[in-house]
Amino acid sequence: DGGITQSPKYLFRKEGQNVTLSCEQNLNHDAMYWYRQDPGQGLRLIYYSQIVNDFQKGDIAEGYSVSREKKESFPLTVTSAQKNPTAFYLCASSQGSNYGYTFGSGTRLTVV
Amino acid sequence: KNEVEQSPQNLTAQEGEFITINCSYSVGISALHWLQQHPGGGIVSLFMLSSGKKKHGRLIATINIQEKHSSLHITASHPRDSAVYICAVQIQGAQKLVFGQGTRLTINP
Repeated sequence: DGGITQSPKYLFRKEGQNVTLSCEQNLNHDAMYWYRQDPGQGLRLIYYSQIVNDFQKGDIAEGYSVSREKKESFPLTVTSAQKNPTAFYLCASSQGSNYGYTFGSGTRLTVV
Repeated sequence: KNEVEQSPQNLTAQEGEFITINCSYSVGISALHWLQQHPGGGIVSLFMLSSGKKKHGRLIATINIQEKHSSLHITASHPRDSAVYICAVQIQGAQKLVFGQGTRLTINP
């Protein structure tokens, strides 16, 4: 079945370390997105990519980096520059703005 | 003020009750999405609307573009409907969604 796979589900890192969250889709979707969710807040857009080898900053891109070398993959790196990295991270994909979105199951990152 | 506001923030009801969750937005949109998030965190897309009404099983979603308002209804609610329901709007001309804060629904047996 087609879908989005995020791994790992839970991730613990020490403060000051970079960490990369994986997002893979087999839906042949052009667009992929990373969102951050904090308690009591709506999801906020970190980065998005509409096509391979191209991506744009979202509303809260500082302290994060992404790459889109393959259509299927859109990894997110949380760098040591991100001041408050502990959060729930969701990846999504879409065939385009006139289509619905498919979401992954999320990665809960805890920085200690 | 958030661009997307949901009400109520929390809702507890008894099994079998008719549920309504509301979403108001203040921007021009090309579509509105209703999403369901279960305790594990994964999100499922329920509806994508640009006008009128859609129905899927016991779920009904409506949108009034002039009033910038959408509702999600659940008929004959069941404990398995307990989840966070999220409204998200696709901004006109933009390739992104803006999300409401979510409504936490608890259905007691």
